[in-house]
Amino acid sequence: QVQLVQSGAEVEKPGASVKVSCKASGYTFTNYAIHWVRQAPGQGLEWVGWINTGTGERKYSQKFQGRVTITRDTSATTAYMELSSLGSEDTAVYYCARGEGYPWNFDYWGQGTLVTVSS
Amino acid sequence: QSVLTQPPSVSGAPGQRVTLSCAGSSSNFGAGYDVHWYQQVPGTAPKLLIYGNTNRPSGVPDRFSGSKSGTSASLAITGLQAEDEADYYCQSYDSSLSGCVFGGGTKLTVL
Repeated sequence: QVQLVQSGAEVEKPGASVKVSCKASGYTFTNYAIHWVRQAPGQGLEWVGWINTGTGERKYSQKFQGRVTITRDTSATTAYMELSSLGSEDTAVYYCARGEGYPWNFDYWGQGTLVTVSS
Repeated sequence: QSVLTQPPSVSGAPGQRVTLSCAGSSSNFGAGYDVHWYQQVPGTAPKLLIYGNTNRPSGVPDRFSGSKSGTSASLAITGLQAEDEADYYCQSYDSSLSGCVFGGGTKLTVL
């Protein structure tokens, strides 16, 4: 069965960086895109960006351009999202999701990783 | 301010039919991009409910149906049940932003 398992919760100080991982299993990793979506406390869903796991091509939301880097390790069937220059407004649950079709819907989601930015 | 506009809340009694709306624009729905819907129970990850405007993934009851016309879309839920109480999000692709976009979400309360 398809599974996306994310790394555990993180607490970071303002100005620091955080890297979240997303381990995929149960399907051919390079056949589907991986997207990252975040949700601030009590707020809605916000798309961060995506990576073509086959070619490595990636694209980011304009809001995060310059601060986010999405990568993947095909041998480990794992995608990563790194966000830098963290501020309190980056406190959120970060989800990875498998992208199906094009443009995508998100048919499988990771369990989410809470990133807390606090001094 | 979300690119896709959803009402913040909707409510209905058990057994009733409710409709959740999602308003887009010429750069997403109007450009022909599909709408997808997700259900999120607080504290859990979103779950795909409807994809490609009208399609249900395996396991989603046929009480849930989706439609899209012009620059708007809607999700209908018939025979409302207590377990349907959740947040619902619409999602699409926007050509002006060159990225995926979500609605702000609608909280469904079953009275």
